[in-house]
Amino acid sequence: GQQLNQSPQSMFIQEGEDVSMNCTSSSIFNTWLWYKQDPGEGPVLLIALYKAGELTSNGRLTAQFGITRKDSFLNISASIPSDVGIYFCAGQLNFGNEKLTFGTGTRLTIIP
Amino acid sequence: DAGVIQSPRHEVTEMGQEVTLRCKPISGHDYLFWYRQTMMRGLELLIYFNNNVPIDDSGMPEDRFSAKMPNASFSTLKIQPSEPRDSAVYFCASSHQLAGDRRGYNEQFFGPGTRLTVL
Repeated sequence: GQQLNQSPQSMFIQEGEDVSMNCTSSSIFNTWLWYKQDPGEGPVLLIALYKAGELTSNGRLTAQFGITRKDSFLNISASIPSDVGIYFCAGQLNFGNEKLTFGTGTRLTIIP
Repeated sequence: DAGVIQSPRHEVTEMGQEVTLRCKPISGHDYLFWYRQTMMRGLELLIYFNNNVPIDDSGMPEDRFSAKMPNASFSTLKIQPSEPRDSAVYFCASSHQLAGDRRGYNEQFFGPGTRLTVL
C-alpha cells in the first residue's frame, strides 16, 4: 500500500524559531493535506493543497504541493508555545475517493 | 455545533471481552470514518461509510472487528473478542460532500478519540 514518510520524526526548538518538515510518497496524490494533533485530541486540518506546485499560507503556516505530486512541505514561522503537537501530512489519491493516507507524523516540542 | 462525539473516552477491558465504541457524527455530514492510531502503525483508516453504507473496509484488521451505521447519526465499532494488540486510540471522523465543490476533498472533522486498553 501507499506509504507517506515524514521527516523529521521529532523536533526540539526554541520559541520564535522557524520550523520546516516534509513528507514524501512513493505514489502520486491529487490532494495533500496537513493536520495538527494536540495531546488527547483528534487531528485538525491546517492546510489543503490541490495543485502541483501550489504554495498556500495560513497565518504563520506555509505549505507547498511538490511539483512531482509525490511530496509536500510545511513551514511554521516564529513558533509559539501553542504550536506544540504532532503534525501529520495526508494524501488523497483521487477526487471522489475519500480515503486518506496519513504520514508518520512530526512531533514538535518547544523548549522554554 | 457539538462536533463529532465519541464514547467512551477511555475503555479498559480484559482480553476476550467484547468492546463497543460509539460515534455520533456532525449533523448533516454524509461520510463517517473510523481510524486507529498506534505508535507503531500511526493513523490508519479502518472503514468508511457514505450515507450509512460501508464503502471501503479494506483497513479492518480481521473478522474480530465489525462496524455498523444504522442511521445517519450513529455508528459503532465492535471488537469481539478483544486482544492486547487492539490497544490503541480509535478515532471517528465525519465529513460532508460539498455540492459543486471542484476541489474534490471534503474536510474530515475528527472526534476526541477513545483510548482502548486491552489487558
